[in-house]
Amino acid sequence: EVQLVESGGGLVQPGRSLRLSCTASGFTFGDYAMSWVRQAPGKGLEWVGFIRSKAYGGTTENAASVKGRFTISRDDSKRIAYLQMNSLKSEDTGVYYCTRDNGDPYRFDYWGQGTLVTVSS
Amino acid sequence: SSELTQDPAVSVALGQTVRITCQGDSLRSYYASWYQQRPGQAPVLVIYGKNNRPSGIPDRFSGSSSGITASLTITGAQAEDEADYYCSSRDSSGNHVVFGGGTKLTVL
Repeated sequence: EVQLVESGGGLVQPGRSLRLSCTASGFTFGDYAMSWVRQAPGKGLEWVGFIRSKAYGGTTENAASVKGRFTISRDDSKRIAYLQMNSLKSEDTGVYYCTRDNGDPYRFDYWGQGTLVTVSS
Repeated sequence: SSELTQDPAVSVALGQTVRITCQGDSLRSYYASWYQQRPGQAPVLVIYGKNNRPSGIPDRFSGSSSGITASLTITGAQAEDEADYYCSSRDSSGNHVVFGGGTKLTVL
């Protein structure tokens, strides 16, 4: 059974940093790209970014709203994807979901339960 | 354009058919995927590609696409289908991903 479990959320002050983790099980983690998707309170889904599998260079893409502040990385040996969030703003508040990305046609076929990040002083 | 546009809200009578649409230039090049999100829960993939359903998704859910419009159809809507529905696709560059604003489906 595929499982994705996010952790690391919490309350953080504006301008500070936070690192989220996504621990995967039930599939060959290294074979898949992984994304982070967030949802502000009462709002819709927003793609944050993804990291390709090592077979495709392990490179990353980020949404314009977080470019230069957020970094996605992965440790295939530990089956974990990370989202490093720096210079946090109040508008970064929301639930952050980890997803498994699956090929062509492109889709997010599995989602974690999400972790809440609150940016407030 | 890298936007996907959805109607904010749609309603359907129990047992009737409803279509939820998603429009965007990127849909000329890329298929949409559709996600159901019930209150307080994580999204779930319901349709992807030309018209593919993941295992466990009822066959009353179907998808189609024409030009810049993708559609999710629920044939014989059930009370449990009341949820928010989001479309998504790669953007026109192919390197990023975009979501529609979501459609709140009410089953009357």
